[in-house]
Amino acid sequence: KQEVTQIPAALSVPEGENLVLNCSFTDSAIYNLQWFRQDPGKGLTSLLLIQSSQREQTSGRLNASLDKSSGRSTLYIAASQPGDSATYLCAVRGSQGNLIFGKGTKLSVKP
Amino acid sequence: DTAVSQTPKYLVTQMGNDKSIKCEQNLGHDTMYWYKQDSKKFLKIMFSYNNKELIINETVPNRFSPKSPDKAHLNLHINSLELGDSAVYFCASSQRANNEQFFGPGTRLTVL
Repeated sequence: KQEVTQIPAALSVPEGENLVLNCSFTDSAIYNLQWFRQDPGKGLTSLLLIQSSQREQTSGRLNASLDKSSGRSTLYIAASQPGDSATYLCAVRGSQGNLIFGKGTKLSVKP
Repeated sequence: DTAVSQTPKYLVTQMGNDKSIKCEQNLGHDTMYWYKQDSKKFLKIMFSYNNKELIINETVPNRFSPKSPDKAHLNLHINSLELGDSAVYFCASSQRANNEQFFGPGTRLTVL
């Protein structure tokens, strides 16, 4: 049974710092991996989708990598800003298309 | 706006009542999902429909019944509500089961 783990559970950094969020999964037979952000009381905003055949995806200050064989993905955020404060969720896609989520990393960027 | 929308945003009700949550997507997607986010913020799949057909039905009490009248809508009906049903319910959609999923804003259900 696929399990997704995100470390750390919470992270606080000063503004401007580069940071890395980690995601690991137990079954490497995934179709793709998706990173989301969730603001308090809000829905999920899709950040990046990495297909199983890809190694990384970039969008602005965000870069997500995928190493299927080791069951790991990282989300790199460059030059963090207070507006980046949110919970970041990693999810892998199961064989039936459903997403299996980690418990998230709560990021706080201090001005 | 192109999006996934849900109504209502908030739902407060008494134990034992029956309630429905509606979801609509105008993205032209063929697959829709219901997820539940519990009090610890953990998200889990409940149901998935592809072209109005049920393809995923996780271990969910049969008091929960999804209904898809057409590809753009997936409603969730809950009978005999219990305290433990209190959670945020998210609808999502994608074009085919393996593509990027887009989420609605969520419905916060509180059962008193």
